[in-house]
Amino acid sequence: GNSVTQMQGQVTLSEEEFLFINCTYSTTGYPTLFWYVQYPGEGPQLLLKVTTANNKGSSRGFEATYDKGTTSFHLQKASVQESDSAVYYCVLGGANSGTYQRFGTGTKLQVVP
Amino acid sequence: DTTVKQNPRYKLARVGKPVNLICSQTMNHDTMYWYQKKPNQAPKLLLFYYDKILNREADTFEKFQSSRPNNSFCSLYIGSAGLEYSAMYLCASSRLGGRYAEQFFGPGTRLTVL
Repeated sequence: GNSVTQMQGQVTLSEEEFLFINCTYSTTGYPTLFWYVQYPGEGPQLLLKVTTANNKGSSRGFEATYDKGTTSFHLQKASVQESDSAVYYCVLGGANSGTYQRFGTGTKLQVVP
Repeated sequence: DTTVKQNPRYKLARVGKPVNLICSQTMNHDTMYWYQKKPNQAPKLLLFYYDKILNREADTFEKFQSSRPNNSFCSLYIGSAGLEYSAMYLCASSRLGGRYAEQFFGPGTRLTVL
């Protein structure tokens, strides 16, 4: 079946450090992949989305590359700010019609000044 | 306006009593979803409406009911709350359903069952 794995429950960085959040997925075919971000007191919101294997998505300084070979969709940012503190969810949109989006467990990012 | 509203934001319920949560959106989205989020777990899709058609996940089929009286509103109903229902409930909507669609989420309702 479809599944998403985020191994990092929490990441703590200082401002201007490099961010890397790991995400791997399991499915068949070519799924759509998303990163959603949830700020305190709000619901998740779309950060970026990629629909084609080996393509890269980017938004607000964040990047993620869809790698079908390694079934990964890691999230990166070169230099984090305190305002990036949030929970980041990797989400798998199944490759087959009739399937819906499956969320990972989320990675809480805390950026300290 | 891309806002999804949820009421109430916090709900305290007694074991065995019913619970009704409300969600609304004004984006004219045809699909509305309900998720359950517990600490250290992924948000879990409970059910969704595509237009007037309700789809419920197999493992939560008998635990949750829902209604969608019009395009803008959707409710989540628990007939008899148990302690295991304590969680954050997230409502979302999208234009077209399925695996490609961007979902717009409300801030959630935190349900505590005592």
